[in-house]
This record gives sequence, C-alpha cells and structure tokens, in this order.
Amino acid sequence: KAGVTQTPRYLIKTRGQQVTLSCSPISGHRSVSWYQQTPGQGLQFLFEYFSETQRNKGNFPGRFSGRQFSNSRSEMNVSTLELGDSALYLCASSPQGLPEAFFGQGTRLTVV
Amino acid sequence: TQLLEQSPQFLSIQEGENLTVYCNSSSVFSSLQWYRQEPGEGPVLLVTVVTGGEVKKLKRLTFQFGDARKDSSLHITAAQPGDTGLYLCAGVWSGGSNYKLTFGKGTLLTVNP
Repeated sequence: KAGVTQTPRYLIKTRGQQVTLSCSPISGHRSVSWYQQTPGQGLQFLFEYFSETQRNKGNFPGRFSGRQFSNSRSEMNVSTLELGDSALYLCASSPQGLPEAFFGQGTRLTVV
Repeated sequence: TQLLEQSPQFLSIQEGENLTVYCNSSSVFSSLQWYRQEPGEGPVLLVTVVTGGEVKKLKRLTFQFGDARKDSSLHITAAQPGDTGLYLCAGVWSGGSNYKLTFGKGTLLTVNP
C-alpha cells in the first residue's frame, strides 16, 4: 500500500509570490491534515479536510488555504508569501474514525 | 488551547545508556501518541496510549500514560544510534468521530556510537 505522497519535496519562492502544495493520501483514507513545522514553533496544525469539507482549522491567517478533491487528494495554497512562511509543510492522512496520522515526507518551502 | 510541553528539548547520550523523555500538559486528553521523526522524513507513529496508568512496550521503548491522562513518558533502554531522531508526543482530543491532535515541540535525541 503506497504511503502519503507530497509534491514537490523542495520549493524556493520569493516574498509576495504564492505557492500550491499537493498531497495524495493513503488509498481509502478520507481525512487529510496539514501541518507547518519550524524549529521554533514545532508542529502546528493548519487545517483538516474530510470528504471535501474543511472540518477543523488552526490559528493561521487567511493567506493559508486548502481544498480537497473527490479522490481525497488535497492541495494547500499560501498567498503573498512572507519570509516567516519558510518551513517544512507536512500532510497526514488518517483512516476514518481513528486519530492515527500517517505523514508524508513533507515539502520544504524556502521563501527568499 | 491545549498545550503539550516536552522535556528535555535536546538530549545527547552514548550508545548503551538509558534515557527518559517527558510530555506534560494541564489538559486531559482522550489518548496520547508518540511519534519519531528522522531527518528528511515525516513523523512515524510509534504508539497510542489510551487508559490512565497504561504502560506499553515496543522492544526497548517503554511508554507510560499518567493516571490523570495529562502526562506521559518514554523510556529507552540501552539506546542505539538508530534511535536518533525527534520524538514528538501528541495529545488527542476526541469529539464523536471528529478528533484533533496537538503536538509538543519534541525532544531531539542523538545517540553517539
């Protein structure tokens, strides 16, 4: 069974640009969550999608948005990038009804 | 906001030594999970503890959930270089079929050969 796949693995963007990250969950998993990981703040929850609906949301500005497609694949978008958005963005999928998170390898975003 | 504090933040030990890392909160959780993250990879779930006072063993790793379900510890016996990584605890809040994970900042463990 294939694991969670995130693309791209690495990304360099300039301030003010926007970026879209992609996540393909484990087959059969309908819940997809996104996290931002930085050395100073650790792993912080961005949002969770379940059956194409945002079910939970963390405390991030509106520049951070996401969506989920009918095949459970998810995308995350960050607009008007700031230097502080540089981080490892992790996607996790979960089986229905269970809080177990299966993480992808992440996308390392660097904003210059 | 449910916060989880992990200690120590950094730990560097020699192969063969024992160690314990801690995860503490003022909140009660439905369950608590431990993950290990290696460089360049996402976190991998090691264990979930559910019942207050529960102890689970995974080879040389022993996990304990506090009686009040607010804290947990991870003890590693005879650490090996392969144990090197970032250890994260995550508190689970459940509401029906919906749940949320809150992660601690982690303990970065280095085991030197």
